[in-house]
Amino acid sequence: AQSVSQHNHHVILSEAASLELGCNYSYGGTVNLFWYVQYPGQHLQLLLKYFSGDPLVKGIKGFEAEFIKSKFSFNLRKPSVQWSDTAEYFCAVNAAYGGSQGNLIFGKGTKLSVKP
Amino acid sequence: KAGVTQTPRYLIKTRGQQVTLSCSPISGHRSVSWYQQTPGQGLQFLFEYFSETQRNKGNFPGRFSGRQFSNSRSEMNVSTLELGDSALYLCASSLSPRESPYYEQYFGPGTRLTVT
Repeated sequence: AQSVSQHNHHVILSEAASLELGCNYSYGGTVNLFWYVQYPGQHLQLLLKYFSGDPLVKGIKGFEAEFIKSKFSFNLRKPSVQWSDTAEYFCAVNAAYGGSQGNLIFGKGTKLSVKP
Repeated sequence: KAGVTQTPRYLIKTRGQQVTLSCSPISGHRSVSWYQQTPGQGLQFLFEYFSETQRNKGNFPGRFSGRQFSNSRSEMNVSTLELGDSALYLCASSLSPRESPYYEQYFGPGTRLTVT
């Protein structure tokens, strides 16, 4: 069955610390990969995406993610977090082809709390 | 461009009633997907509509249904509400894969449904 696993349920960091959130997926076929962020009281926003090409992708607000096909992973990183990064982060995958792109499969999310 | 809008934002219903939620996609987007978000199950795909046709359906009972109109606006309906239907219902819109190779979904703020 298709699934997405996010390793950490809740991560607590101090400002300026480095961040890495793990994401692994199980999907038989070519995939597109996404990270979404949900700030407190706000709706889901697309942070970054991978469709093809360079496996290191850069998103908004200094975030980046690396697609490692052999490990079925798409980890999210940021060198130095800020208090404003406090939010919930969701990894998601969909099929790159076949007509079911509208079905995003999400991980359970990782809550990030950044202490000022 | 205006984002995805959902109405109403909050709804309280009684068990056994039915409810209709509405979603207006971003102008030019013809694909609309619906998701249910709960603390226990996370984000789960309900269904996707494109050109007034349901293209994909998630693993939800038949009490959950939807439709799309010729202007791409979509509604979802839940009949015979149960306590477990309490959730945040999210709508996402996108260009179809035929219109763009980059299938990105943009989410609305959601409708918070509480069933008592």
